[in-house]
Amino acid sequence: NAGVTQTPKFRVLKTGQSMTLLCAQDMNHEYMYWYRQDPGMGLRLIHYSVGEGTTAKGEVPDGYNVSRLKKQNFLLGLESAAPSQTSVYFCASSYSSGTGGNEQFFGPGTRLTVL
Amino acid sequence: LAKTTQPISMDSYEGQEVNITCSHNNIATNDYITWYQQFPSQGPRFIIQGYKTKVTNEVASLFIPADRKSSTLSLPRVSLSDTAVYYCLVGPHGSGNTGKLIFGQGTTLQVKP
Repeated sequence: NAGVTQTPKFRVLKTGQSMTLLCAQDMNHEYMYWYRQDPGMGLRLIHYSVGEGTTAKGEVPDGYNVSRLKKQNFLLGLESAAPSQTSVYFCASSYSSGTGGNEQFFGPGTRLTVL
Repeated sequence: LAKTTQPISMDSYEGQEVNITCSHNNIATNDYITWYQQFPSQGPRFIIQGYKTKVTNEVASLFIPADRKSSTLSLPRVSLSDTAVYYCLVGPHGSGNTGKLIFGQGTTLQVKP
């Protein structure tokens, strides 16, 4: 099993450009998450999904959109990138809620730079 | 979800036992305590989880006192490869609080030779 994979690994954007980050998991997990991590900071939850066709806002959702059309995929979109969105983005998945008792499996991350 | 407090950083030497304490004074009855490890340029990795008393696996031990207001992650005989950030999370099972997941800044452990 590949676990959780993320595409791309690195990306440089200009302010105002758009892009989509793809997360895929092959563990048949119900829950999927998108986090961002800034230098010296912990992870902050952007959006999450509790199942196919569902999405919900996390702690820092502004400037991002997500879609979960297939159970195994969770897409994170930036419609108009801003320098403040320069960060490392992590995707994760779990069988059930990750708040307790349900291990989250993380992808390798996508390093995004917005100029 | 319960707010957690951890030391920002800790130093240790190879071969020593390291104990990282997490405070969670307002832990709820149905909350579990989970620890993650994150190496540079990688996503976090689950280490251990517990509800009360002591839990041990091949990587670490987790000590939880009777009042559950704190927990201690114990790493036996650390090596240079244990240099990482360690996060303490507290929360219940179930979907109701998923949107409030908080990893916090974690504890940066630096193991020296």
